[in-house]
Amino acid sequence: SQTIHQWPATLVQPVGSPLSLECTVEGTSNPNLYWYRQAAGRGLQLLFYSVGIGQISSEVPQNLSASRPQDRQFILSSKKLLLSDSGFYLCAWRLAGGVETQYFGPGTRLLVL
Amino acid sequence: DQQVKQNSPSLSVQEGRISILNCDYTNSMFDYFLWYKKYPAEGPTFLISISSIKDKNEDGRFTVFLNKSAKHLSLHIVPSQPGDSAVYFCAASKGQAGTALIFGKGTTLSVSS
Repeated sequence: SQTIHQWPATLVQPVGSPLSLECTVEGTSNPNLYWYRQAAGRGLQLLFYSVGIGQISSEVPQNLSASRPQDRQFILSSKKLLLSDSGFYLCAWRLAGGVETQYFGPGTRLLVL
Repeated sequence: DQQVKQNSPSLSVQEGRISILNCDYTNSMFDYFLWYKKYPAEGPTFLISISSIKDKNEDGRFTVFLNKSAKHLSLHIVPSQPGDSAVYFCAASKGQAGTALIFGKGTTLSVSS
């Protein structure tokens, strides 16, 4: 069966510091991968998605970036965090070419102070 | 422009009764719809989905209805249980490879015993 991992679970970072959140998927090959953010009191906003290694599409321009160095690894980064980057970050995967159902990881809660 | 709308931020229901969560969408290109359940500080869990070629899909206590002409879908939970208390997100997809789900802002369901 497939599993998705995210770490860290919680992160407190000062404004201006860098960020690296990692997501890995097990039990499947060539998944579509997604990064979402849920800000306080708001819905899920898509940040990036990837259909393959090195292929990244950005949905919302911001100071975040994403990379996919390996088939089942998806990384969300920032060089300098802003207060507005605080939120709950979720990674999701979906079978390439399959139905549209996406499966989410446990999330990372980021607090920028 | 919000393409998927959940106009009721919250819903309170007694245990054993029916819970009806509603969702409206504006994009006629959406052809696949999903409902997710989310507890605080956890990733969303997939509940049930429906393709646009159907108008109903049932899975245990959960039934999703789709009215394409009205661009409306609903999730029925019967009977409601206290463990159903969570935030429910409606999501839609255009079915194109790699594209992400478009989420509503969620409805918080509270089931009292």
